[in-house]
Amino acid sequence: NAGVTQTPKFQVLKTGQSMTLQCAQDMNHEYMSWYRQDPGMGLRLIHYSVGAGITDQGEVPNGYNVSRSTTEDFPLRLLSAAPSQTSVYFCASSSSGRRNEQFFGPGTRLTVL
Amino acid sequence: GEDVEQSLFLSVREGDSSVINCTYTDSSSTYLYWYKQEPGAGLQLLTYIFSNMDMKQDQRLTVLLNKKDKHLSLRIADTQTGDSAIYFCAESMGDTGRRALTFGSGTRLQVQP
Repeated sequence: NAGVTQTPKFQVLKTGQSMTLQCAQDMNHEYMSWYRQDPGMGLRLIHYSVGAGITDQGEVPNGYNVSRSTTEDFPLRLLSAAPSQTSVYFCASSSSGRRNEQFFGPGTRLTVL
Repeated sequence: GEDVEQSLFLSVREGDSSVINCTYTDSSSTYLYWYKQEPGAGLQLLTYIFSNMDMKQDQRLTVLLNKKDKHLSLRIADTQTGDSAIYFCAESMGDTGRRALTFGSGTRLQVQP
């Protein structure tokens, strides 16, 4: 199993550009989520999904869109990048088990100029 | 609301014990977790504790939970230079649909040789 994979690892965008951060998992997990990590602030939840076709907003959803057309994939879209979106982005997945162990991808480091 | 707090930095000498502390506010949390993040990497689950336990030991790691004070700690015995990383405390309300975690801001552990 590859676990949770994310691409790209690094990305530099100009203000106003759009892009999609990819996330995939091969563990057949129902639950997937996107977090951003900023210095001194821990991880904050952007969007999450409890299954294919179902998504919802987390704490900091503005400026981001998601979709979940398959169980495996959960892409995060930035429609018009802003410098405030410079961050490290982590995708995570978990099964329906009560323990709710989250498996994290390696992260995407995004810089918006 | 949910809030998880940690001190930002801890420095210890190799061979000493490290104790990382965390406070949380949501008394309905069912599981509490400790994650480790090494430089440039994603988060890796170290250990977790169910809310009806007050202690859990796993090799060099000891987790203590004081539900009355909403205080969680992680003790690392015989700390090694390889333990240098950022440690995140996180809580989960496992019975809700959201399944995402609320993280503290992380404690950077520096181990001096």
